Formats: sequence, C-alpha cells, structure tokens
Amino acid sequence: QKEVEQDPGPLSVPEGAIVSLNCTYSNSAFQYFMWYRQYSRKGPELLMYTYSSGNKEDGRFTAQVDKSSKYISLFIRDSQPSDSATYLCAMKDSSYKLIFGSGTRLLVRP
Amino acid sequence: ETGVTQTPRHLVMGMTNKKSLKCEQHLGHNAMYWYKQSAKKPLELMFVYNFKEQTENNSVPSRFSPECPNSSHLFLHLHTLQPEDSALYLCASSQDHGSGNTIYFGEGSWLTVV
Repeated sequence: QKEVEQDPGPLSVPEGAIVSLNCTYSNSAFQYFMWYRQYSRKGPELLMYTYSSGNKEDGRFTAQVDKSSKYISLFIRDSQPSDSATYLCAMKDSSYKLIFGSGTRLLVRP
Repeated sequence: ETGVTQTPRHLVMGMTNKKSLKCEQHLGHNAMYWYKQSAKKPLELMFVYNFKEQTENNSVPSRFSPECPNSSHLFLHLHTLQPEDSALYLCASSQDHGSGNTIYFGEGSWLTVV
C-alpha cells in the first residue's frame, strides 16, 4: 500500500464549477499537509500549507484535513481555465521527509 | 519566479556523456534538495543537503553525484546514465531541514537520455 494515495484523473469540469481534489494516507504520524500546483513542464508551486487538522482558506482555495479519517481535500471555487494543472498533495511527520501523492490532473473547460 | 533557478531547462545526453545540472536559490535558505519526477509516479527524493552537508542519499545510483559548494548552489553531476533516467529533475530549497519548513521548487530540468 502506498503511503499517500491520489486519484490521477484526469478530472474535467466546466468553468465555474467547484472542484474537489482528495488524498488519503496511511501514516497517522503525518502532521503537515500541503497542496502543490504544477503546470505542464513547470515545477510544483506551493498552494496551501496546513498543520494538523482543520480548514484553511485562501481566496478561491480551501484545504481541509481530517486526521481521524486520514483524508485531505482541496476545494477550488469558481474554477477557471487557468486552474488547469496537476495538483499534488504532500505530507510529512515530525521528520523532514515530504511524501507526495502522484498528482491529479485537472482540466477546466471554458 | 520561485526564487529557485535551474539550468539547463532541457538536456539531451548520450549514455556515455558527462553533464551537470545546476541549481541556485535566492531565498536565503539553508537546505537544498534534488527530486526526480517520472511520468505517473510520485516525486522521489534523491538527495538532501542541510547547511552544505549531505544528510540524505535515498539509495540513488552512483551515476548521480551531487555537489553543494555553498548554501545557495547545488549541482547534480550525471555520468553513464541509462534511458530510464530520463525524467524531470527538480531542485528545491527550504529554510532548513526542520519539520515545519515548506519546500520551494525550481522549474526543473528535463533530461532525456538517448
């Protein structure tokens, strides 16, 4: 079993839709949770960073962490074609090592 | 502009060549990383340097040789690579190697081994 599971997609939605991206994990020691966005042929860009459980909102983006279910989500409201990218979840415990999901490809259709 | 600059952006090399990837960070960070990203696979951590000292070698074959002359610069020396080494190589940095520090990536170097 992989430490972090992420549906590869692709996920195709119309412009303006609410997008939900998810990851599950198996290591209950994970405390730090991140979402990165990666455009084609570019490096990953940090979108959201959350410590422990709860929600965090930044503009159209909301990150949720449910440690009891070992489940994290990223919601994108009013999705735009410019949101089309691969979204990577990443997490770590008290050590330095960051574990990534394999990424979900999102396509927002105009 | 992420503050982490990688060169070259694209590299094609033969299996007998020797080449190097370069990374420079302008963020004042003390930890630098090399990651490998292959198609449909999660990012793989290769090497970690913290205050210029290598603290992690994630079972990487010796045909990949890192060098960190100072906290701002990181190199990945490549020799006698295999076609399966073709991938996107990402450099990253963080404040230091602590648990809460976020990692910032460069744009990557696309490597094709022929």
